[in-house]
Amino acid sequence: DAKTTQPNSMESNEEEPVHLPCNHSTISGTDYIHWYRQLPSQGPEYVIHGLTSNVNNRMASLAIAEDRKSSTLILHRATLRDAAVYYCILRNFNKFYFGSGTKLNVKP
Amino acid sequence: DAGVTQSPTHLIKTRGQQVTLRCSPKSGHDTVSWYQQALGQGPQFIFQYYEEEERQRGNFPDRFSGHQFPNYSSELNVNALLLGDSALYLCASSLKTTFYGYTFGSGTRLTVV
Repeated sequence: DAKTTQPNSMESNEEEPVHLPCNHSTISGTDYIHWYRQLPSQGPEYVIHGLTSNVNNRMASLAIAEDRKSSTLILHRATLRDAAVYYCILRNFNKFYFGSGTKLNVKP
Repeated sequence: DAGVTQSPTHLIKTRGQQVTLRCSPKSGHDTVSWYQQALGQGPQFIFQYYEEEERQRGNFPDRFSGHQFPNYSSELNVNALLLGDSALYLCASSLKTTFYGYTFGSGTRLTVV
């Protein structure tokens, strides 16, 4: 199974940018990179996904390394509501391989 | 527009018993996947149903089985419960032909005592 490696936890100040890294050195050419986040007592929530090029949406940006062996989720201005566990996931044929995720703490 | 609905939200069972968890997918979705999330860990893929058949399966024993109905809703059955089956069980729905990602339900918290 394809695997991702993320830091266990990160901390950020409110209204500052946050860069959440992810390593996926065993990624295959057909794997998409997805990011989900999970708030306490809730199911994971879609954040963003991409294949090769950088992606932007209203929630975040996804920067993908040229060799695709790593990626970074960028939250442009962290808010207290962004405190969650962020999962970097490789998708292969509609099956997700979750890692352990990064717990993001946001300080006021 | 309702998202993914799971029932029950919480459940307590005794070792050796059997349990059935239910999931209604998001309107317009035709594929249902089930995940097990142990405390403090990421979700682990159990299996996926499409067109009422199991299409993919993760590394889970045969005690875990499922079903998908013609209205796309799904059930997860676990037989001969073990203490280690205690977890949050998540249902995720998607559209087979246009996959942008999953919509997850809030899960069923199963406790085996």
